[in-house]
Amino acid sequence: QSVLTQPPSASGTPGQRVSVSCSGSSSDIGSNTVSWYQHLPGTAPKLLFYNNDRRPSGVPDRFSASKSDTSASLAISGLQSEDEGDYYCAAWDDNLSGPAFGGGTKLTVL
Amino acid sequence: QIQLKESGGGVVQPGGSLGLSCGASGFTFSTYSFLWVRQAPGKGLEWLAVISYDGTKTYYADSVKGRSTISRDKSTDTLSLRMHSLRSEDSGVYFCARVAALGHFFYMDVWGKGTTVTVSS
Repeated sequence: QSVLTQPPSASGTPGQRVSVSCSGSSSDIGSNTVSWYQHLPGTAPKLLFYNNDRRPSGVPDRFSASKSDTSASLAISGLQSEDEGDYYCAAWDDNLSGPAFGGGTKLTVL
Repeated sequence: QIQLKESGGGVVQPGGSLGLSCGASGFTFSTYSFLWVRQAPGKGLEWLAVISYDGTKTYYADSVKGRSTISRDKSTDTLSLRMHSLRSEDSGVYFCARVAALGHFFYMDVWGKGTTVTVSS
């Protein structure tokens, strides 16, 4: 069972906007910054956001992220077929003295 | 080109041991912390072990604590993970990742493509 809670699945049609939630607690998201990762089938996971809402170069601005208290959210607008894959949130957990991961959300583009 | 490349995967018998390596290139290995993450078939990412940039601090997930060792070799820019007493639930794809920051600002900015471990008799 993952420390951070994500919905197991999400879906949308091309061009739509979808969002993925990530819920934690005071010891992880509530105290530390959140990062998001995209894992497409057969590839290495890729960093999408760090420090809650900082986008690395190369990540399209269709992707956005935010954090509030003990929850975080990833949004994808203008959904494209190549966005189909798994999305994970992560944060340091002060109780674990280690990383906390979400269980992942499988995004399907219909 | 900044790159991480895992090796050492394969088929291991239950109760056996494995040693995974992750070669780093294109950046200064000694200034970064690293992480091993596993993805079991049909499951999400699970962190296993973290090692600080200087090797003085290590952290282990409960699932592998006591039967795993993460280490690093600055002479070869290589990260390693040794695990023993393997069981079927240790099967999966093992990824190494570069940790840009530990603690409060934790995130991983470079990932390898993974190596597959199958625990089976």
